[in-house]
Amino acid sequence: EDKVVQSPLSLVVHEGDTVTLNCSYEVTNFRSLLWYKQEKKAPTFLFMLTSSGIEKKSGRLSSILDKKELFSILNITATQTGDSAVYLCASSIFGNEKLTFGTGTRLTIIP
Amino acid sequence: DVKVTQSSRYLVKRTGEKVFLECVQDMDHENMFWYRQDPGLGLRLIYFSYDVKMKEKGDIPEGYSVSREKKERFSLILESASTNQTSMYLCASRGGATASETQYFGPGTRLLVL
Repeated sequence: EDKVVQSPLSLVVHEGDTVTLNCSYEVTNFRSLLWYKQEKKAPTFLFMLTSSGIEKKSGRLSSILDKKELFSILNITATQTGDSAVYLCASSIFGNEKLTFGTGTRLTIIP
Repeated sequence: DVKVTQSSRYLVKRTGEKVFLECVQDMDHENMFWYRQDPGLGLRLIYFSYDVKMKEKGDIPEGYSVSREKKERFSLILESASTNQTSMYLCASRGGATASETQYFGPGTRLLVL
């Protein structure tokens, strides 16, 4: 059974801190790893990673994939209160339209 | 911009009622998905559809059915609602096999079954 595990389950930090969120996966026929941010409603897409070792960046957020060790990290530098959200990672596989999601990491930024 | 809309943001129903949740996307996407999201369990796939009138069971299809009569619309049906179906329901869509596997989500329907 395909599995995606995120850690920590929740994290509380002060504004300005840097955080690292973890996502490990065990899937058959892995295609890509996706990160989403979910505030009060719909998850919004952040990154899709398919190749090992290539960092994707968007402002203060960055992410990288390690296909040998089967994990990805999401880094957020100089955190702001607007970064407070649940961060979801999901894996996709070849030959199937499904995504397998982790349970998410709830990040809370204290002003 | 991709837009996925869901018919209701909040819904309160009684046990045994038939419940319809509607999802519409405006990007001509082939694939549409219904998830439920519960604390500590993450997003779990209920059903998905890869074409009109086509459907596939996800991980937790029991107690649910779906309908896809038109490409842009995907309905989730609770034939006889039960209290354990109280949850947040999220619809998503994505393009065809050659498109990015990014899924785009609707705002969610929070369903309470009394």
